[in-house]
Amino acid sequence: AQTVTQSQPEMSVQEAETVTLSCTYDTSESNYYLFWYKQPPSRQMILVIRQEAYKQQNATENRFSVNFQKAAKSFSLKISDSQLGDTAMYFCAYLLDFGNEKLTFGTGTRLTIIP
Amino acid sequence: EAGVAQSPRYKIIEKRQSVAFWCNPISGHATLYWYQQILGQGPKLLIQFQNNGVVDDSQLPKDRFSAERLKGVDSTLKIQPAKLEDSAVYLCASSLPSGTEDGETQYFGPGTRLLVL
Repeated sequence: AQTVTQSQPEMSVQEAETVTLSCTYDTSESNYYLFWYKQPPSRQMILVIRQEAYKQQNATENRFSVNFQKAAKSFSLKISDSQLGDTAMYFCAYLLDFGNEKLTFGTGTRLTIIP
Repeated sequence: EAGVAQSPRYKIIEKRQSVAFWCNPISGHATLYWYQQILGQGPKLLIQFQNNGVVDDSQLPKDRFSAERLKGVDSTLKIQPAKLEDSAVYLCASSLPSGTEDGETQYFGPGTRLLVL
């Protein structure tokens, strides 16, 4: 079974600084997807960024980028120029590329941006 | 484009009562998911529908939980009777059919927060 591990339960950073959230996963498959979701206090799960495992190039979405290390099974999220609105829980998730499989989530990292 | 809709947003009930949640997915999304998120944890899949058929309900406590998607569009999740440990946020998500562009991305609704007293 696939597992996703987020080893940082909580993090905080000053506004405008850069922060990196860690995620590792365990799988024996070669084709899969990885996601970072943001969950603010409203509890809505919002997609931040996604990465296809067959792509070597790291995904980027504005201030958000990932460092995808397939061999190491590592998928970290970097937030540049952090803003107060980035305060939220961040979940790393894995999806096997074989039909509509279920998302496997990590336990989350609570990120606080300090003004 | 309208997102995934869920209602109610909050519900408080006493144990042994019944409760139902409703979800309307994004238009054109064939696949619908119900997740349970207990405080301090990541979401856990309860059931997955492809159109009006069940794809995966292996983690659904079938003695008390039931779900349906009769016309392949909106869905209802029911708990009867509720237990204290059912207190959680219930998230609905939807996605395009597998194999289509972006078909692997799940889009979530705002969730229903349930408190069982």
